[in-house]
Amino acid sequence: IAGITQAPTSQILAAGRRMTLRCTQDMRHNAMYWYRQDLGLGLRLIHYSNTAGTTGKGEVPDGYSVSRANTDDFPLTLASAVPSQTSVYFCASGGTDTDTQYFGPGTRLTVL
Amino acid sequence: GQNIDQPTEMTATEGAIVQINCTYQTSGFNGLFWYQQHAGEAPTFLSYNVLDGLEEKGRFSSFLSRSKGYSYLLLKELQMKDSASYLCAVRDSNYQLIWGAGTKLIIKP
Repeated sequence: IAGITQAPTSQILAAGRRMTLRCTQDMRHNAMYWYRQDLGLGLRLIHYSNTAGTTGKGEVPDGYSVSRANTDDFPLTLASAVPSQTSVYFCASGGTDTDTQYFGPGTRLTVL
Repeated sequence: GQNIDQPTEMTATEGAIVQINCTYQTSGFNGLFWYQQHAGEAPTFLSYNVLDGLEEKGRFSSFLSRSKGYSYLLLKELQMKDSASYLCAVRDSNYQLIWGAGTKLIIKP
């Protein structure tokens, strides 16, 4: 693979269920990010990781958790999904110092 | 608070020129990015400005004035494939990107 992959592409989830969105990059970028994108709003940062083993909270972290066990993978977990978490989720990598952020194809999540 | 403002929607004609403006108020400034996002797809990088002035890249140019908190993206010789949303983002003092809501550009024949 080249770049960033995300899985699943889309998912419909019942409220209260646990869900993990997967993200893998093969560009050896130290930094990785999770954003959500909602109609009429800009991309909002959920969590980030500047390097393997470290994570930080973004603008909208509540209800989400992340881990960064290695350089390539950065999963996002919704412990107990709620309808307000219906959104398109983008994973990105790169972006430290002057580096550009590169985005995965996104996961469209619907919570009913 | 931090704020990025850009027009919600613009319409232009194929072959013409369009300028998309972005104004920002952020805690610190470490560069400004423009991304293109086609409907249903991921954002893709277009340009990066950190110093005042114009950066040209083919049909696309981006301008920055740090003293005015202002940038624009200039698209020349518009093509139908340029129909997309254009996202302005500023890297703040924490090196995090603050994103505008995007400008939807509609190209008419």
